[in-house]
Amino acid sequence: NAGVMQNPRHLVRRRGQEARLRCSPMKGHSHVYWYRQLPEEGLKFMVYLQKENIIDESGMPKERFSAEFPKEGPSILRIQQVVRGDSAAYFCASSPIGQGRDEQYFGPGTRLTVT
Amino acid sequence: DQQVKQNSPSLSVQEGRISILNCDYTNSMFDYFLWYKKYPAEGPTFLISISSIKDKNEDGRFTVFLNKSAKHLSLHIVPSQPGDSAVYFCAASYLTGNQFYFGTGTSLTVIP
Repeated sequence: NAGVMQNPRHLVRRRGQEARLRCSPMKGHSHVYWYRQLPEEGLKFMVYLQKENIIDESGMPKERFSAEFPKEGPSILRIQQVVRGDSAAYFCASSPIGQGRDEQYFGPGTRLTVT
Repeated sequence: DQQVKQNSPSLSVQEGRISILNCDYTNSMFDYFLWYKKYPAEGPTFLISISSIKDKNEDGRFTVFLNKSAKHLSLHIVPSQPGDSAVYFCAASYLTGNQFYFGTGTSLTVIP
């Protein structure tokens, strides 16, 4: 049973470009979470999605960031017009049930560098 | 607003001794707590959890203690092994919530 997969593992973008980060949850998991880890900080929640629905986006910046989890295919975190402050590690996690008790399984992360 | 805090950024321990990692939280609604371990260039992996109805949970060399009145939990690793060297994150959640709240991590180095 493959774990959570994220690609690319490393992404370099120039300021103003778009970044697309992909996450394939574990088989059988229909709940996906995105977290961001800035240098020297812990993981900060961004968004929680189920298939075709955004459940909680309270941690998402109001502008430039969007997320989706279509019926078919991976979840996508999209950052438009990237700025240097977007440089971070972005982790995706998945769970089977989606409650506060539910263990979340993390992918290896995508390290975004904005030059 | 950091609701989960790990005040020790790093810890060094001799192999075979006990490692104690600490975590404090501020939100009294949290009722489920987890520890994750993270190696460089990898995602966090689940280690152990505890519900607020318990004050201790043990799994092999790992034990988590919860002191609800002090809003404090700790992870004990006995005996510590070099392979335990990693960053340890404390996380908290509540039943109706959708996310885990993570601390900033403690980097543990176990010296052979």
